Amino acid sequence: GDQVKQSPSALSLQEGTNSALRCNFSIATTTVQWFLQNPRGSLMNLFYLVPGTKENGRLKSTFNSKESYSTLHIRDAQLEDSGTYFCAAPSSGSWQLIFGSGTQLTVMP
Amino acid sequence: EAAVTQSPRNKVAVTGGKVTLSCNQTNNHNNMYWYRQDTGHGLRLIHYSYGAGSTEKGDIPDGYKASRPSQENFSLILELATPSQTSVYFCASATANTGQLYFGEGSKLTVL
Repeated sequence: GDQVKQSPSALSLQEGTNSALRCNFSIATTTVQWFLQNPRGSLMNLFYLVPGTKENGRLKSTFNSKESYSTLHIRDAQLEDSGTYFCAAPSSGSWQLIFGSGTQLTVMP
Repeated sequence: EAAVTQSPRNKVAVTGGKVTLSCNQTNNHNNMYWYRQDTGHGLRLIHYSYGAGSTEKGDIPDGYKASRPSQENFSLILELATPSQTSVYFCASATANTGQLYFGEGSKLTVL
C-alpha cells in the first residue's frame, strides 16, 4: 500500500485564495520534506521538517509525527505556485526517502 | 542554496549505445543520488553514494552503473542503453546528518 499518501491528487485554485495539501504516513518517520516540481520540470526543496511548523513567505508546513501527517498551506496563491507538490519521508531506521505521488496544483488567474 | 548541476540536459541515444550522465555538486555534501522519474511511477532511486569511492544500489539498479570519483562528482552509466531507459533522470545531493535533498535540473534521455 501507499506508505506516503498525498491528497488531493489534483487541485485548482483561483489566484489569491488559500489551500492546504496533506501528506499521510503509514510508516514511522521523524522528518518530512516537501518539494515543488514546476512546469519546466525542476524540483525545488521547499521544507525540511522535524515535528513542528515552519514558514517561508506564503508557505507554511506542519509535521505531526504522533498522528503521522504533514500539511503544506499555501496562502494568497500566485500563478507561479503552479506545479506538482511532493512530500517525502524516510522510514524509521532508514535514510531512503519514500516519495508520495504528488499533488498537481493549478493556479488560475 | 545547494548547487547541483547535471549534464547533458537532453540526450538522444541509440539502443545498445553507452550513455553517461554527469552530476556535479559544489556544496561538499557527502551523499549523492540518482533517481529516474516516469509517469505513473514517481521518483525511483537507482544508485546512491555516501562519499568518494562509494556506490550503492538503490531500488532499481539493473542496467545502470554509478561512479563517484570525487566528493563533487557522481555519474550514472548506461553501458547498453535500451528504450525502457527513456526517462528523466535527476541527480540529488544531501548532507549526511539531515538528509535534506537538493535536486539538479534533470536530464531527459531518449533511447531510440
